Amino acid sequence: QKEVEQNSGPLSVPEGAIASLNCTYSDRGSQSFFWYRQYSGKSPELIMFIYSNGDKEDGRFTAQLNKASQYVSLLIRDSQPSDSATYLCAVKDTNAGKSTFGDGTTLTVKP
Amino acid sequence: DTGVSQDPRHKITKRGQNVTFRCDPISEHNRLYWYRQTLGQGPEFLTYFQNEAQLEKSRLLSDRFSAERPKGSFSTLEIQRTEQGDSAMYLCASSSGGGFEKLFFGSGTQLSVL
Repeated sequence: QKEVEQNSGPLSVPEGAIASLNCTYSDRGSQSFFWYRQYSGKSPELIMFIYSNGDKEDGRFTAQLNKASQYVSLLIRDSQPSDSATYLCAVKDTNAGKSTFGDGTTLTVKP
Repeated sequence: DTGVSQDPRHKITKRGQNVTFRCDPISEHNRLYWYRQTLGQGPEFLTYFQNEAQLEKSRLLSDRFSAERPKGSFSTLEIQRTEQGDSAMYLCASSSGGGFEKLFFGSGTQLSVL
């Protein structure tokens, strides 16, 4: 079992819809959680991070964390074709150096 | 500040040759990471530095791989006796550290081993 699991997709949503991306992790010691966006042929870029249980909103993006269920999600409201990319979930133990990544979910937003 | 810089962008080599990649992190960042990514997979951790000290190396990393960060500035990743399975995108990332650190990635070096 991988340490960080994501649905590989592809996930396809129409423009203007809500895209929901999910991630589960196995290490209960994980303390910080990140969502990176990776366009095809490009390197990952950070779009959201969350440390506490609950929701964190930033513009059209909302990250949700449930440590008891070891579950992280990313909601993208009013999805745009420019949101089409692979979304990588990453988790980190506060005391560890490295972030561990899932394999990503590929999102396609159709006009 | 121009971000994380990696060189070269692309490298084609023959099996058995040695290759070296360079990463220049964001200047004020004290942590530097190397990851490897293949198509359809997420970045896989290779090693990381805090200043000039190499603090962790993946247990999956072959002895053919070595990394340095002299003087805590740029870093190099060398692969000796390359194999076709080494073909991947090699990503460098830097951060300012801390428990809630955010990684800033370079554009990567795409290695193809023929």
